[in-house]
Amino acid sequence: KNEVEQSPQNLTAQEGEFITINCSYSVGISALHWLQQHPGGGIVSLFMLSSGKKKHGRLIATINIQEKHSSLHITASHPRDSAVYICAVGAGNEKLTFGTGTRLTIIP
Amino acid sequence: KAGVTQTPRYLIKTRGQQVTLSCSPISGHRSVSWYQQTPGQGLQFLFEYFSETQRNKGNFPGRFSGRQFSNSRSEMNVSTLELGDSALYLCASSKREGGGYEQFFGPGTRLTVL
Repeated sequence: KNEVEQSPQNLTAQEGEFITINCSYSVGISALHWLQQHPGGGIVSLFMLSSGKKKHGRLIATINIQEKHSSLHITASHPRDSAVYICAVGAGNEKLTFGTGTRLTIIP
Repeated sequence: KAGVTQTPRYLIKTRGQQVTLSCSPISGHRSVSWYQQTPGQGLQFLFEYFSETQRNKGNFPGRFSGRQFSNSRSEMNVSTLELGDSALYLCASSKREGGGYEQFFGPGTRLTVL
């Protein structure tokens, strides 16, 4: 069993839909990261969470430390949100353990 | 502020050769981490350097090595290349924020081993 599990693996939605991507982890962590990777490879850090909830524009990330679970939400999805979203956990150092990613496709 | 830069962006090598990849972190960031991304294994941590010292290491063979210079620039080296080393190699520089280290990724070096 992987230390970090993401679901779904693939998600296709219509423009404007509310999107939820889930991440569960089995190890103790100090922070959880949500990353976005576009075709071509570049990775952008969206959020780093150790508790509660963070919001940036149309993106919201939540974490429940007791349940070892985090969600990434996208409101009013847009085709430019199409990317791979990766959850990663850190245990107090820079060594991140990654989920396998969720490939999101938003259809106009 | 300039982002993380990696050179070269693309590289083609043959089995048995060695390769050196370079990463320049964001100014002021002293930590540099390296990652390998393959379709089969996804993203995996290689190693992390801080102030010229390797601080963390992933589960990769000794053919993978790295170093960091006094200006925080880092290089990673892969010797005796194998076909399975074909991957996207990403570096990230980081700063501590709250309970974790926010990481800023470079564009990656895509290595193809023939």
